[in-house]
Amino acid sequence: GNSVTQMEGPVTLSEEAFLTINCTYTATGYPSLFWYVQYPGEGLQLLLKATKADDKGSNKGFEATYRKETTSFHLEKGSVQVSDSAVYFCALSSNFGNEKLTFGTGTRLTIIP
Amino acid sequence: NAGVMQNPRHLVRRRGQEARLRCSPMKGHSHVYWYRQLPEEGLKFMVYLQKENIIDESGMPKERFSAEFPKEGPSILRIQQVVRGDSAAYFCASSLSTAGQGPVAFFGQGTRLTVV
Repeated sequence: GNSVTQMEGPVTLSEEAFLTINCTYTATGYPSLFWYVQYPGEGLQLLLKATKADDKGSNKGFEATYRKETTSFHLEKGSVQVSDSAVYFCALSSNFGNEKLTFGTGTRLTIIP
Repeated sequence: NAGVMQNPRHLVRRRGQEARLRCSPMKGHSHVYWYRQLPEEGLKFMVYLQKENIIDESGMPKERFSAEFPKEGPSILRIQQVVRGDSAAYFCASSLSTAGQGPVAFFGQGTRLTVV
């Protein structure tokens, strides 16, 4: 079955530091990959996505590249801000007509000024 | 264009009562998914519905839980005879099927169920 393994948290960084949150996956076929962000007390918001190998998703300074050879989709940002403090979830969806998402366990990120 | 609307945002039930959670998908979306998030955990898939049909309920507990998405009105997740272990955040998501392009699911703000 499908699974997502995500970097354990929590992660604490200083403002303007470089961020990497690792995500690897196991899936049959060619899944779509996503990063969602959850702010305190809120639902999940789609941060970025990639639907095929070598695609790069990007949004709000965050980037992730779909690496089929390493089955990875690591999230990166060059300079984090306090407002980036949230929980980040890596997820995948197969493209076989049932579009349910399989999530990683989430990584709590805290940025200190 | 309103997003995915869930209500109530917070729900408190005593053990043995019923809980009904509602979800109105985004306009034009015909696919609805329910997920459960236990404290400090990721989201777990429960059920996938299209209008009047349950497509995949592989994540639903076998007893006490049911879901529907009628032709008219919101999708309902129903939990009968709630127990303390049902306390969680329940999220609804909807999507517009785009076969071959990869789905994008939009999430509601969730219903936080507390069983006392």
